[in-house]
Amino acid sequence: KAGVTQTPRYLIKTRGQQVTLSCSPISGHRSVSWYQQTPGQGLQFLFEYFSETQRNKGNFPGRFSGRQFSNSRSEMNVSTLELGDSALYLCASTMGSYDTEAFFGQGTRLTVV
Amino acid sequence: AQRVTQPEKLLSVFKGAPVELKCNYSYSGSPELFWYVQYSRQRLQLLLRHISRESIKGFTADLNKGETSFHLKKPFAQEEDSAMYYCALITGGFKTIFGAGTRLFVKA
Repeated sequence: KAGVTQTPRYLIKTRGQQVTLSCSPISGHRSVSWYQQTPGQGLQFLFEYFSETQRNKGNFPGRFSGRQFSNSRSEMNVSTLELGDSALYLCASTMGSYDTEAFFGQGTRLTVV
Repeated sequence: AQRVTQPEKLLSVFKGAPVELKCNYSYSGSPELFWYVQYSRQRLQLLLRHISRESIKGFTADLNKGETSFHLKKPFAQEEDSAMYYCALITGGFKTIFGAGTRLFVKA
């Protein structure tokens, strides 16, 4: 079956702009989580959506938001971009129940200039 | 507080030497713990989970609730084990918390 797909793979934006990233989970998976990966901080949890509802949220400012559609696809939006937002953004999908393996996408590399 | 700590950012060992990647967690409930691995230019993927008590690619990890640890071990490291390793905890609220990761470098 198809894996987790993230689009686009690469993005270059300027400070102050906003950006939308997309994630298509594995078919049948109802939970999508987003992470920010940087060399210094590792994997930082952004938020998790399950059945179109945000179930968990990390400690990121309100500029970071997301949503999930009825087909489980998810989008993440970052407004008023800052240089520090440059990172690899990973999405992972799971069935949504306890003790399940997370399947990760290839990530979207965002560069803010 | 719910937290996963991997104290070593970088671990370098020689091929054939034993390796132990440390992971400590802080969680008041019953933990569900995992190790994920990211090889160069590949996706992050599950290596093993504690409830399975399995050995994957020669790696094992034992949950020690007394020491709140879930260290990853392999008796004889191979060059192909060089990768980034992340310890992860799933909370009762289905939130996955990752440690900062340990980069393992196995030297020939």
